[in-house]
Amino acid sequence: EDKVVQSPLSLVVHEGDTVTLNCSYEVTNFRSLLWYKQEKKAPTFLFMLTSSGIEKKSGRLSSILDKKELFSILNITATQTGDSAVYLCAVEALPRDSYDKVIFGPGTSLSVIP
Amino acid sequence: NAGVTQTPKFRILKIGQSMTLQCTQDMNHNYMYWYRQDPGMGLKLIYYSVGAGITDKGEVPNGYNVSRSTTEDFPLRLELAAPSQTSVYFCASSYSGPTQAFFGQGTRLTVV
Repeated sequence: EDKVVQSPLSLVVHEGDTVTLNCSYEVTNFRSLLWYKQEKKAPTFLFMLTSSGIEKKSGRLSSILDKKELFSILNITATQTGDSAVYLCAVEALPRDSYDKVIFGPGTSLSVIP
Repeated sequence: NAGVTQTPKFRILKIGQSMTLQCTQDMNHNYMYWYRQDPGMGLKLIYYSVGAGITDKGEVPNGYNVSRSTTEDFPLRLELAAPSQTSVYFCASSYSGPTQAFFGQGTRLTVV
């Protein structure tokens, strides 16, 4: 069965800290890995990763994918209270006998305290 | 720009009641999705649609129905509400495929 695992499930850090969120997956017919930020309501898209070793960067956030180890990390440097959210990792798969689907992990709840 | 709009935001249902969760998008996206999110769990796909008149089941379709009569609207119907359907429901849309989808603000449904 396809699955996406995230760790840690929750994390509390102080402003200015650097955090690393982990995502591992076991999915048939991998297409891409996605990171979303969910602040109480709708998830908002952060990154899509399709190739190993190529870092995607947006401001203080960056992410990289290792397709050999079936693993991705999301780094946030110099954290701010506005980074407090649930970070969702998801994997897009295209099984031959099913629909093009996205499997979500449980999320990592990040709290940044002043 | 509205994006994906869901109504209602909150609802409490009694067991056995029925209701429709509304979803409208104004981005002319072909693809639309309904997910549910339970505490500590990832989003699970209920139903999806690749265009007006076309719908298909996702991972957890039991107890739900959908229709897609227009590009803009994708309502989700619960016929006989059960406590197991207590969840937060998200509608999403995308230009093509499930990646980089735009999500609505969610509907928190409690069945008692």
